[in-house]
Amino acid sequence: AQSVTQPDIHITVSEGASLELRCNYSYGATPYLFWYVQSPGQGLQLLLKYFSGDTLVQGIKGFEAEFKRSQSSFNLRKPSVHWSDAAEYFCAVGAMKTGGGADGLTFGKGTHLIIQP
Amino acid sequence: SAVISQKPSRDICQRGTSLTIQCQVDSQVTMMFWYRQQPGQSLTLIATANQGSEATYESGFVIDKFPISRPNLTFSTLTVSNMSPEDSSIYLCSVDLGGGYGYTFGSGTRLTVV
Repeated sequence: AQSVTQPDIHITVSEGASLELRCNYSYGATPYLFWYVQSPGQGLQLLLKYFSGDTLVQGIKGFEAEFKRSQSSFNLRKPSVHWSDAAEYFCAVGAMKTGGGADGLTFGKGTHLIIQP
Repeated sequence: SAVISQKPSRDICQRGTSLTIQCQVDSQVTMMFWYRQQPGQSLTLIATANQGSEATYESGFVIDKFPISRPNLTFSTLTVSNMSPEDSSIYLCSVDLGGGYGYTFGSGTRLTVV
């Protein structure tokens, strides 16, 4: 069964500082990997996704993530955070079903990002 | 990407009653997914709803408690039956358009059972 681990429950970063959120996955084949952000009282917004190809993917809001197969990781990075980045961040893994059709996603427990002024 | 309308956005319900949540998509999609997000927790997949067939439930979720309908390619409902306070959660529907678009989520239904 697939699983996702986000080892950091909370991370505090100063505004303007760089950010890296960790995500490790367990899956038997090449996974589809996602990062979502959820602001308080809001729905989930897709930041970026990896399906195949270039292992460094660019997303919205200045975020990027790097897929490292050897480490089973898909860490999210941002060079300079803004106060508006404070939110809950979820890493998720999915896959295509054999014979076609999509699988549902398995989510990590999330990382709560706090931005210090 | 798809636009998903989910209704109701929130509700407060009495224990023992049932609530049906609607999910409408502006595109035809084969698979629709229902998730639960318990307070302060991550999302857990409840079931996958494929048009024209019975929904597939994940471990720990059963059809009697969470019956799902999928009458066409743009609409699905999830019913939370015989509710208890433990069912208080945010329920979200999601679709995958395929083609590398990723999964889109509805804004969720915040359910409180009293």
